[in-house]
Amino acid sequence: DAGITQSPRHKVTETGTPVTLRCHQTENHRYMYWYRQDPGHGLRLIHYSYGVKDTDKGEVSDGYSVSRSKTEDFLLTLESATSSQTSVYFCAISESPTGSSYEQYFGPGTRLTVT
Amino acid sequence: LAKTTQPISMDSYEGQEVNITCSHNNIATNDYITWYQQFPSQGPRFIIQGYKTKVTNEVASLFIPADRKSSTLSLPRVSLSDTAVYYCLVGDRGDYKLSFGAGTTVTVRA
Repeated sequence: DAGITQSPRHKVTETGTPVTLRCHQTENHRYMYWYRQDPGHGLRLIHYSYGVKDTDKGEVSDGYSVSRSKTEDFLLTLESATSSQTSVYFCAISESPTGSSYEQYFGPGTRLTVT
Repeated sequence: LAKTTQPISMDSYEGQEVNITCSHNNIATNDYITWYQQFPSQGPRFIIQGYKTKVTNEVASLFIPADRKSSTLSLPRVSLSDTAVYYCLVGDRGDYKLSFGAGTTVTVRA
């Protein structure tokens, strides 16, 4: 399995508080992604990174920010958590898309509950 | 990214072959077709990828007709452990923004 860890694995927080989720990789892959997964919606891309300090928005980026100060870490911050952000969050990594495939490797997920 | 349509759910029994068809009518010339599998409480994992005709690996086969407007993932002789959600994705290998959609929930029964 690809070396991807997410922390915390579970978190309960209150509405209005900031929350930061961490994704750490040991594969030295260039691309990193944050997804959220909700029943009936599959996985939706929040933000992605194509290099250190290079990030861009996905399809559901409102209320989220990201940072990548080094290759191995990609942080997702909920600036002021809302109940609608209760979800399972997955981090993923991939090598250069110009390689043989753009296969993504996913982390174990973080279950976030906002009360 | 090309839009894909796949069934929401499929039921099967152990030992049967499961075929999941994905429609992608507006697939572009440079697009590849990729399938992922997701077990409960886990992240998705790559199963297979193809461009045209047929691709086979130790897990599945992928059949792509000449017009490439659809593709079929074939899981031979499924077992209970193949119960999962299967996602069809279409995009250029240069696309690193993937759209997973809701996928197909395959339930294998004894």
